[in-house]
Amino acid sequence: AQSVTQLGSHVSVSEGALVLLRCNYSSSVPPYLFWYVQYPNQGLQLLLKYTTGATLVKGINGFEAEFKKSETSFHLTKPSAHMSDAAEYFCALFRESGTYKYIFGTGTRLKVLA
Amino acid sequence: ETGVTQTPRHLVMGMTNKKSLKCEQHLGHNAMYWYKQSAKKPLELMFVYNFKEQTENNSVPSRFSPECPNSSHLFLHLHTLQPEDSALYLCASSTGTGGTGELFFGEGSRLTVL
Repeated sequence: AQSVTQLGSHVSVSEGALVLLRCNYSSSVPPYLFWYVQYPNQGLQLLLKYTTGATLVKGINGFEAEFKKSETSFHLTKPSAHMSDAAEYFCALFRESGTYKYIFGTGTRLKVLA
Repeated sequence: ETGVTQTPRHLVMGMTNKKSLKCEQHLGHNAMYWYKQSAKKPLELMFVYNFKEQTENNSVPSRFSPECPNSSHLFLHLHTLQPEDSALYLCASSTGTGGTGELFFGEGSRLTVL
């Protein structure tokens, strides 16, 4: 069965520090993988996606993620956190086959400390 | 207007009321979705429409009734709701079958059932 696991429901980092949000997936076939961000009282917004090709994917606001098939991971990173990065982040898996095409992780709330 | 627009943004209703949530997308997409987002719970897929046809109903109680009159509009009709139905209801759209699966979300309708 396909699944997405986000390690850590809450992560705190200092402003300027490295941001690392972890996501592991389980899928019997190569998936498409996504990171979405949700700011307070808003919907989800796509940060970046991996479909095929280059395994290091760059997204908006300085975020990037690396698809590692051997580790079944798709961790999200940003070299230097900014106060405006405080939000909830969701990792998601998409496959065309099957009745349920989209699977979201439970989310990680990022807090940035001044 | 561009993107995905949801109205109303906030709704308070009693358990005996009937109300509707509206979603409109201006992206030329063929698939539309309703998600429920409750505190401390993963995103729950409720309904999926592809080319106006309902393709998924994720065991949603009958007090929620979706309607998709065309590929650009999606409604969620609400009647005799329960307090546990209080949540953020998110509408999303995508290109549909054959796409890379990216979802475009509205800002959500915050529902409170008294």
